[in-house]
Amino acid sequence: AQTVTQSQPEMSVQEAETVTLSCTYDTSESDYYLFWYKQPPSRQMILVIRQEAYKQQNATENRFSVNFQKAAKSFSLKISDSQLGDAAMYFCAYSNRFGNEKLTFGTGTRLTIIP
Amino acid sequence: DAGVIQSPRHEVTEMGQEVTLRCKPISGHDYLFWYRQTMMRGLELLIYFNNNVPIDDSGMPEDRFSAKMPNASFSTLKIQPSEPRDSAVYFCASSLYWQGVGELFFGEGSRLTVL
Repeated sequence: AQTVTQSQPEMSVQEAETVTLSCTYDTSESDYYLFWYKQPPSRQMILVIRQEAYKQQNATENRFSVNFQKAAKSFSLKISDSQLGDAAMYFCAYSNRFGNEKLTFGTGTRLTIIP
Repeated sequence: DAGVIQSPRHEVTEMGQEVTLRCKPISGHDYLFWYRQTMMRGLELLIYFNNNVPIDDSGMPEDRFSAKMPNASFSTLKIQPSEPRDSAVYFCASSLYWQGVGELFFGEGSRLTVL
């Protein structure tokens, strides 16, 4: 079974600074999807960014970007110019290409923004 | 669209009582998922539906749990009888595609406390 590991239970960053959240995964598949979901205090989880493994280019969404290292099975999330609204739990998730297995979530990283 | 709507947002009940959680998915989404989130176990997929048909309920913890989707716009998750260990946040999510392929749209969750 695939596993997703987020080794940083908590992180903090000064407002306007950059922070990187780590995620590693284990799979024998060559083609798959990776996701970062954000869960703010309101509890509603929101997709932040999505990466397809066959694409070498790292995905970017405004201030959010990923560093996808396929050989190392690493998928980190970089948040630039951190804002107070970025404070949340961040979950890394994995799914195989064909979607015939459950989406596997990591345990999450709680990000605090320091004003 | 208003997004995925869940009710109630909070539920406090006593052990042995029946609990019914409700979900209205986003119109047009073919997939509906029920998740449970706890500190100990993280996010767990309980069951999912495709076109109102239950496809995989292997994540349902016990026979005390049941889920239905009588039509495309409504689903329920029922716990009968409830136990203190069922205390958790229950999320409903919907998507156009299988969860591993496309974006999941989550509701705000129902926080259940069983005394």
